[in-house]
Amino acid sequence: DSGVTQTPKHLITATGQRVTLRCSPRSGDLSVYWYQQSLDQGLQFLIQYYNGEERAKGNILERFSAQQFPDLHSELNLSSLELGDSALYFCASSLGQGGSYEQYFGPGTRLTVT
Amino acid sequence: GDSVTQMEGPVTLSEEAFLTINCTYTATGYPSLFWYVQYPGEGLQLLLKATKADDKGSNKGFEATYRKETTSFHLEKGSVQVSDSAVYFCALSRPNAGNMLTFGGGTRLMVKP
Repeated sequence: DSGVTQTPKHLITATGQRVTLRCSPRSGDLSVYWYQQSLDQGLQFLIQYYNGEERAKGNILERFSAQQFPDLHSELNLSSLELGDSALYFCASSLGQGGSYEQYFGPGTRLTVT
Repeated sequence: GDSVTQMEGPVTLSEEAFLTINCTYTATGYPSLFWYVQYPGEGLQLLLKATKADDKGSNKGFEATYRKETTSFHLEKGSVQVSDSAVYFCALSRPNAGNMLTFGGGTRLMVKP
């Protein structure tokens, strides 16, 4: 158990809908990262937050957005969903935002868009 | 941009065989290098890491050495077990550039008794 929790574990929804994925980092960790794992794209970095502020963006679509709240939990919002958004979405957390801080991964949320 | 290339799987071995999974990278500066393991139905777990050239990361019998001259970080284990069956990901991060991970495509290892 990494100490990172993600909810829900599974999500099935239809095209065009909007969903919110939630992540609670390990106690004491200030940085949260979101990654997408799909069959065709592999594991890709989406976005990073540190202590409530956006720090880095990767291959995140404009239909996707995220935020980190004062209690440090984070939410990833996916809107106007398409079939290709079906994937496993991982959240990871680390103590800091730089250096070589180890990232701890949650169990993931499996999103299926039908 | 940064990239990580690792050998495609699946790699199928018999128990107690020697394992090598190749990983090479392209990155500016001096990245940190990682191996993550993903067991079926689970998230990723850090297996080992190395943060500078010639460093050797090791854990649970697995080893990998940071070779800057060949830009490689190959994963090795002397004697695999059935319980090592999983998907292994090589990854890098650039500590001064946000610390996000760039992953290779993953290599599935299947160990038969």
